[in-house]
Amino acid sequence: AQSVSQHNHHVILSEAASLELGCNYSYGGTVNLFWYVQYPGQHLQLLLKYFSGDPLVKGIKGFEAEFIKSKFSFNLRKPSVQWSDTAEYFCAVNVGGVNTGFQKLVFGTGTRLLVSP
Amino acid sequence: DAGVIQSPRHEVTEMGQEVTLRCKPISGHNSLFWYRQTMMRGLELLIYFNNNVPIDDSGMPEDRFSAKMPNASFSTLKIQPSEPRDSAVYFCASSSRGSGNEQFFGPGTRLTVL
Repeated sequence: AQSVSQHNHHVILSEAASLELGCNYSYGGTVNLFWYVQYPGQHLQLLLKYFSGDPLVKGIKGFEAEFIKSKFSFNLRKPSVQWSDTAEYFCAVNVGGVNTGFQKLVFGTGTRLLVSP
Repeated sequence: DAGVIQSPRHEVTEMGQEVTLRCKPISGHNSLFWYRQTMMRGLELLIYFNNNVPIDDSGMPEDRFSAKMPNASFSTLKIQPSEPRDSAVYFCASSSRGSGNEQFFGPGTRLTVL
């Protein structure tokens, strides 16, 4: 079965530090990849997504992610975090590609990021 | 668009009572998902529908849980009877092929079973 691994369960950073959260998936075919963010007490919101084309994807709030097909990875990065980035981050994979009817997302277990001011 | 709408936002009930959670997906979306989130188990997919038809209910914990989608604009998740271990935040999400299968989440229902 398809799976998504987020190896960092908790990350603590100081403001202005750089961030990289790892995400690896297990599926050899076409994938759509997503990063969602959940701020404290709120619902999941989309940060960025990759369907095809440029493997470096820009998202909201200065986040970006790079799809490396050979490594089955889609790591999330931000050069300088802010206190307001404190949240839980979820990587997700939709297998089969845009044109299939298979719309289920497989989510990772999440990474809790705490940014200290 | 108002986004995915869930009601109620908070529900407190006593063990043994029936609980019904409601969801209105984004208009035009043809897939609907019910998730449960807890500290211990994280985010779990309970069931999802495509064109109002249940596709995968393997995540439904047990027979006390049931979900319906009578039409394209409404779904319910029912727990009968409820137990304290059902306490969680329940999210509904919807998507469509047109949105690249990106799922849009509702605000969630925080359920507390005493």
